[in-house]
Amino acid sequence: EVQLVESGGGLVQPGGSLRLSCAASGFTFSSYWMHWVRQAPGKGLVWVSRINSDGSTTTYADSVKGRFTISRDNAKNTLYLQMNSLRAEDTAVYYCAREVLRSSGSYHFDYWGQGTLVTVSS
Amino acid sequence: QSALTQPASVSGSPGQSITISCTGTSSDVGVYNYVSWYQQHPGKAPKLMIYDVSNRPSGVSNRFSGSKSGNTASLTISGLQAEDEADYYCSSYTSSSTYVFGTGTKVTVL
Repeated sequence: EVQLVESGGGLVQPGGSLRLSCAASGFTFSSYWMHWVRQAPGKGLVWVSRINSDGSTTTYADSVKGRFTISRDNAKNTLYLQMNSLRAEDTAVYYCAREVLRSSGSYHFDYWGQGTLVTVSS
Repeated sequence: QSALTQPASVSGSPGQSITISCTGTSSDVGVYNYVSWYQQHPGKAPKLMIYDVSNRPSGVSNRFSGSKSGNTASLTISGLQAEDEADYYCSSYTSSSTYVFGTGTKVTVL
């Protein structure tokens, strides 16, 4: 069974840092591109960042570029999101999501974690 | 990348059919057949309902169907049931090799 379990969320002051983790199981983690998607309270889903299967290529939304860093440890089956210089507008539930295998010729998210809440407030 | 445009809310009675629209641009919905739809119940993670415009994953009811015309994709729920009450989001792959989500639609079963 595919499982994605996020952790690391919490309350942080503006300007602070936080590292989120997403532990993957039930599939060959190293074969899949992975993403972070966030959802502010009462708002919609927003794509944040993605990393390719071997970690050599990353892409970010303009709103987090230069402040957030996505990475992965395929030996530990874990995805990370290092968040620096946090702002109030970064307050959201952060989901990790698995992109369907690139070799499938399709582009969508087939599995999601349950999310972890990040609150940026003084 | 601006969010895809969805109606804020759609409602229907049990048994009826409803359709949710999702309007993008020639850089996303209009150029790729990689539109997907996600259902999200309160406090829960999104769940894939439709991918590649009109394909249903295994286990998703055939009451859910998708289509696309030009820059607008649509999700139709037929035979509306109480458990369909949720938020629905469309998503598209983009020409920037990223993803964009819709603004979200709250479906209410009357």
